[in-house]
Amino acid sequence: AQSVAQPEDQVNVAEGNPLTVKCTYSVSGNPYLFWYVQYPNRGLQFLLKYITGDNLVKGSYGFEAEFNKSQTSFHLKKPSALVSDSALYFCAVRDGGTGFQKLVFGTGTRLLVSP
Amino acid sequence: DAGITQSPRHKVTETGTPVTLRCHQTENHRYMYWYRQDPGHGLRLIHYSYGVKDTDKGEVSDGYSVSRSKTEDFLLTLESATSSQTSVYFCAISVGQSNQPQHFGDGTRLSIL
Repeated sequence: AQSVAQPEDQVNVAEGNPLTVKCTYSVSGNPYLFWYVQYPNRGLQFLLKYITGDNLVKGSYGFEAEFNKSQTSFHLKKPSALVSDSALYFCAVRDGGTGFQKLVFGTGTRLLVSP
Repeated sequence: DAGITQSPRHKVTETGTPVTLRCHQTENHRYMYWYRQDPGHGLRLIHYSYGVKDTDKGEVSDGYSVSRSKTEDFLLTLESATSSQTSVYFCAISVGQSNQPQHFGDGTRLSIL
């Protein structure tokens, strides 16, 4: 069964500094990986995904993520954080096998960007 | 926005009462999902649907039932609500179910006293 770990409940970063939100995963087959962001009282918004190809994936709002197969990681990054990036971030994984494969979410990491 | 409307947005009810949450989409997507979000658990899949009248259980389906009589509507029912079902419920849709992202509604905050 697939699983996702987000080891940090909260990440604090100053505006203008680079940010990283960590994610590691476990699947039996090929991983399909996703990052979502959630603002207060809103649903999850899709940021980016890795299915196959280039290990560096670029997404919305200047975010990118690096797929590392050997370390089974998919860390979310941004070169320069904004206060408006403060939100709850979820990593999710699905096994790329046949048939229905559920999307499994991590427990979330709260990002706090200070002015 | 992904064209998903959840109703009601907030509800407070008592233990033992039936509750139905509605998810409506304007995208005509095949797949629809119900999740619950709880602190320390992230999102967990309750039920999903892969077409009209085609539904299946997720990982936390006990105490919940669903129905999909039209492509655009997916209903989640708590037959007899319990306090452990107090949560925020999210509906999601997707074009496919493999490499396509899911798109989420804004949730229903349900409190069971």
